[in-house]
Amino acid sequence: DQQVKQNSPSLSVQEGRISILNCDYTNSMFDYFLWYKKYPAEGPTFLISISSIKDKNEDGRFTVFLNKSAKHLSLHIVPSQPGDSAVYFCAARIGYALNFGKGTSLLVTP
Amino acid sequence: DTAVSQTPKYLVTQMGNDKSIKCEQNLGHDTMYWYKQDSKKFLKIMFSYNNKELIINETVPNRFSPKSPDKAHLNLHINSLELGDSAVYFCASSQVPPRETQYFGPGTRLLVL
Repeated sequence: DQQVKQNSPSLSVQEGRISILNCDYTNSMFDYFLWYKKYPAEGPTFLISISSIKDKNEDGRFTVFLNKSAKHLSLHIVPSQPGDSAVYFCAARIGYALNFGKGTSLLVTP
Repeated sequence: DTAVSQTPKYLVTQMGNDKSIKCEQNLGHDTMYWYKQDSKKFLKIMFSYNNKELIINETVPNRFSPKSPDKAHLNLHINSLELGDSAVYFCASSQVPPRETQYFGPGTRLLVL
């Protein structure tokens, strides 16, 4: 049973525009949410996180928004760059375990 | 200086064989994990060790056995390999949760023929 869902398998955005990646979750006990970025043949690398007590966290071009009532979070990348092309995984934590979504493949075109 | 390393990177083997995947982290972390990414791209936790003690053991066949000789190493032994074990296995480490993020190794691509 998939507790973290990324319903868009892929997204294509033009360079310089905003990329918005979405994630929904079902378990209200998750206390921490993270976004990981993954290039082919590499492990996921941590990008940005947000505690369940906050609704926004910003780090440079990356902002994560959390809407607890809707059990929804999103990652905004602005401006998007070709180097951002990768698979983005949303993850939610309970205790020691991370629950991952299936990932969204982002393609940023010049 | 690789933070979390795994060997081998690729592993092709026959059904019924026994194999091991090694993981080492040089970050000084207390907690290590094994994840499996299957053909549908789901990344699921299998095991977690904190200071050499098993703290998470998800519903995984007992053919899979983690071994932690010390805090910096968490190896995965798989007995009697089956076709369905074909996947990418990722090792990760972190300081004590819940605040710390997990750092992943590059993955081991296992193909069982």
